[in-house]
Amino acid sequence: DIQMTQSPSSLSASVGDRVTITCRASQSISSYLNWYQQKPGKAPKLLIYAASSLQSGVPSRFSGSGSGTDFTLTISSLQPEDFATYYCQQSYSTLRDFGQGTKLEIK
Amino acid sequence: QVQLQESGPGLVKPSQTLSLTCTVSGGSISSGSYYWSWIRQPAGKGLEWIGRIYTSGSTNYNPSLKSRVTISVDTSKNQFSLKLSSVTAADTAVYYCARSSLVTAIWAFDYWGQGTLVTVSS
Repeated sequence: DIQMTQSPSSLSASVGDRVTITCRASQSISSYLNWYQQKPGKAPKLLIYAASSLQSGVPSRFSGSGSGTDFTLTISSLQPEDFATYYCQQSYSTLRDFGQGTKLEIK
Repeated sequence: QVQLQESGPGLVKPSQTLSLTCTVSGGSISSGSYYWSWIRQPAGKGLEWIGRIYTSGSTNYNPSLKSRVTISVDTSKNQFSLKLSSVTAADTAVYYCARSSLVTAIWAFDYWGQGTLVTVSS
C-alpha cells in the first residue's frame, strides 16, 4: 500500500495567519490526492480534489498544490471556523490510504 | 441533495459480527458511476478505509481487514451494508459510510454519513 505522511501532526496558529500543511506519498501518485477537513464530532468534508481543484462551496482561501509525491494544502488567511483536523488521501491505488491528520489549533 | 445515514447496533460483543447499514437518500444507489465505501475512525485517531462496493456490485477491501469484511448492496432498499466478523476491542470506532464520485478524473469522497459509534465490549 501507499503510505501517506503528513507534517506537522499538529500546528498552532492565529486568526489571519497563512498556514501550510504538507503531505508526502511513499510513491508517485501523480495528482491523485484529495484533502479533507474534519471538525470534532463531524464527518470529514472534501476541500480539494486532484491536488489543486477546489470543491464547490469551499472558500477560496484554501488552495492545494503538488504532484508526484509531495503536496501542500495552504490556508491563506485563517478564519475561526478553519480550526480543525486536515487529512490528505490518495486515490491512485485501490486501497484508499489517508494521512494521519494535521490538527490545526488556535494559538 | 444526496444524504447517507448509518444505522446498526452501537454495542457488539467480542468475537461476534458487527453489522451496519447505510441508507442513501436523494438519489438511486444503482444509478450513475459511484463507489460506496465504509471508513472508520477510532477515538482520537485517523481515518481507515475499510472497503467499497461499486454500482455494479464489485467490491474491494482493505487487505488488513479483507478476511473479516463483507460489503453488500440492496438496491431495492437503496442501502449498502458492512459486516465485520470476529470483532475485538480494536474494532471500536466511529464508522462512516461515504460515496466516492469521479471528479475530474479522480475519485473523491464527496458525501459522507454522520458516523455511528460502535463499541466492542462484553
